[in-house]
Amino acid sequence: DAGITQSPRYKITETGRQVTLMCHQTWSHSYMFWYRQDLGHGLRLIYYSAAADITDKGEVPDGYVVSRSKTENFPLTLESATRSQTSVYFCASTQDSMNTEAFFGQGTRLTVV
Amino acid sequence: GQSLEQPSEVTAVEGAIVQINCTYQTSGFYGLSWYQQHDGGAPTFLSYNALDGLEETGRFSSFLSRSDSYGYLLLQELQMKDSASYFCAVVDDYKLSFGAGTTVTVRA
Repeated sequence: DAGITQSPRYKITETGRQVTLMCHQTWSHSYMFWYRQDLGHGLRLIYYSAAADITDKGEVPDGYVVSRSKTENFPLTLESATRSQTSVYFCASTQDSMNTEAFFGQGTRLTVV
Repeated sequence: GQSLEQPSEVTAVEGAIVQINCTYQTSGFYGLSWYQQHDGGAPTFLSYNALDGLEETGRFSSFLSRSDSYGYLLLQELQMKDSASYFCAVVDDYKLSFGAGTTVTVRA
């Protein structure tokens, strides 16, 4: 299917476990982003990427790791999950550096217990 | 870094006009975007302003003043389906950063 997809849609994990959230886009967009959304905080940027093998930290990168070995995939890994990482995570992509229009995945609701 | 400020909530009746203001501070600036998000859904793109002035797209318009680091989203002829959260976002280099969002509630 064309577009940007995230998996899983829902995930429950235990404190201290490693968990990876997947993001895949079919447009070959160069730019990809990970955000977390919590009540009262809007969308906070975790990591972003301009191309394969190019990633940068956003506002809240601590506790997260990303990789971008292929243009279409941008996985986000929580190395040792904490309860404060319970959130809804959104992946997004844009075609150009001006980010004139970002396309979002459906989101992953992660609960850390 | 970047900071964006927008009101947290706005309530209006059907058919009314609502203006959501956004002020921003950023070291570099390419443009200001607006996104809509319904409960339980993903954000969707509404508009983008790179230059000063008003952009109109149907019932929604967006304005930018680069010299004032200010923009707004204007929602006209409000409908119940416009009840949602609205986010302004700035593009700085290729980094896309969002404000905390404004919840718009439309009442009959």
